[in-house]
Amino acid sequence: SQTIHQWPATLVQPVGSPLSLECTVEGTSNPNLYWYRQAAGRGLQLLFYSVGIGQISSEVPQNLSASRPQDRQFILSSKKLLLSDSGFYLCAWSLDKNQPQHFGDGTRLSIL
Amino acid sequence: AQSVTQPDIHITVSEGASLELRCNYSYGATPYLFWYVQSPGQGLQLLLKYFSGDTLVQGIKGFEAEFKRSQSSFNLRKPSVHWSDAAEYFCAVATSGGSYIPTFGRGTSLIVHP
Repeated sequence: SQTIHQWPATLVQPVGSPLSLECTVEGTSNPNLYWYRQAAGRGLQLLFYSVGIGQISSEVPQNLSASRPQDRQFILSSKKLLLSDSGFYLCAWSLDKNQPQHFGDGTRLSIL
Repeated sequence: AQSVTQPDIHITVSEGASLELRCNYSYGATPYLFWYVQSPGQGLQLLLKYFSGDTLVQGIKGFEAEFKRSQSSFNLRKPSVHWSDAAEYFCAVATSGGSYIPTFGRGTSLIVHP
């Protein structure tokens, strides 16, 4: 069966520090991969999605970036974190764009 | 572009009572519709989905949803709520107009009283 792993579960970072969140999927090939941010009391904001290795689509211009170095690995990065980057970050995968998404357990990012 | 509205931010029900969570979407053609549930501090879990066919869809954990094209709605229902159903519920819609990338509603927080 397919599984998705996302780490770390929680992270506290100072303003201006770099960021790297990692997500890996097991049990499937060539999944569509997604990064979302969820602010308190709000829905999910799609940040990036990828339909293949090296293919990244950005939905919201910001100081975050994403990379897909391997088929089942999706990384969210930042060179310098802002206070506004705080939130709950969720990685998800799907078999195709119109198929249900399967979510990781999320990373709670706090910026100090 | 598609949009989805969950008009209720919070819903409070007593354990054993019936539940209906509202979801309205905006899109000209038939969309792909989903309901997800999120427990605190966790990711989202798919409850059910509608692509086509029978407009009444059965999901996991005793939930069902009905697609009503005339009302542009996809409301989630459960006949008898359990305390463990307390969570955040998200409706999502995917359409060809949005390249099938789902758009999520803001969520409805379900509170269950004993």
